[in-house]
Amino acid sequence: GENVEQHPSTLSVQEGDSAVIKCTYSDSASNYFPWYKQELGKRPQLIIDIRSNVGEKKDQRIAVTLNKTAKHFSLHITETQPEDSAVYFCAASRGGGSYIPTFGRGTSLIVHP
Amino acid sequence: GAVVSQHPSRVICKSGTSVKIECRSLDFQATTMFWYRQFPKQSLMLMATSNEGSKATYEQGVEKDKFLINHASLTLSTLTVTSAHPEDSSFYICSALNTGELFFGEGSRLTVL
Repeated sequence: GENVEQHPSTLSVQEGDSAVIKCTYSDSASNYFPWYKQELGKRPQLIIDIRSNVGEKKDQRIAVTLNKTAKHFSLHITETQPEDSAVYFCAASRGGGSYIPTFGRGTSLIVHP
Repeated sequence: GAVVSQHPSRVICKSGTSVKIECRSLDFQATTMFWYRQFPKQSLMLMATSNEGSKATYEQGVEKDKFLINHASLTLSTLTVTSAHPEDSSFYICSALNTGELFFGEGSRLTVL
């Protein structure tokens, strides 16, 4: 089955700095890679996703890159703000009818004001 | 976006009792729902995939007689933790797919005394 590794487990940055979270996956058939943000005690929410036919996707301060050859994808947050503090999960799946996402272990991002 | 509602949000029970958690898709029909378990500061661990009108598919290591899943309609899946013990204390989250995106319930925190 799929195996998703996520690093780092904890990331502490100053407000305004950039934050990068990296994930690798093992299943070459995976073609959908969502990122979720989970604030303390709340449900995970999708913040951005990327499909295998795209190398990069950006939404305001958030961007995701994908390297299919190397089987890794990354989340980039620029100009971080205290409200970005949360746990971020990457996931990988084959999409379509066999969509069962496998999640990374999560990264606890702390943005210091 | 689509809404998935989970109830109860918190439950405390005595050891040996059974607890039922409900997961509802409020504005869409969900043929498939997923049940996750999350320990403090850890990732989302898939327990089982709930399929409407058929038996759930359990992940390796998850006791199907311990965690009963029923998906009787296109908008409701239930997870029953039978004969709960303190080690079953955890955060349980359901999710459902809608137009290719995974939406999560609020989660249910189970504490077994």
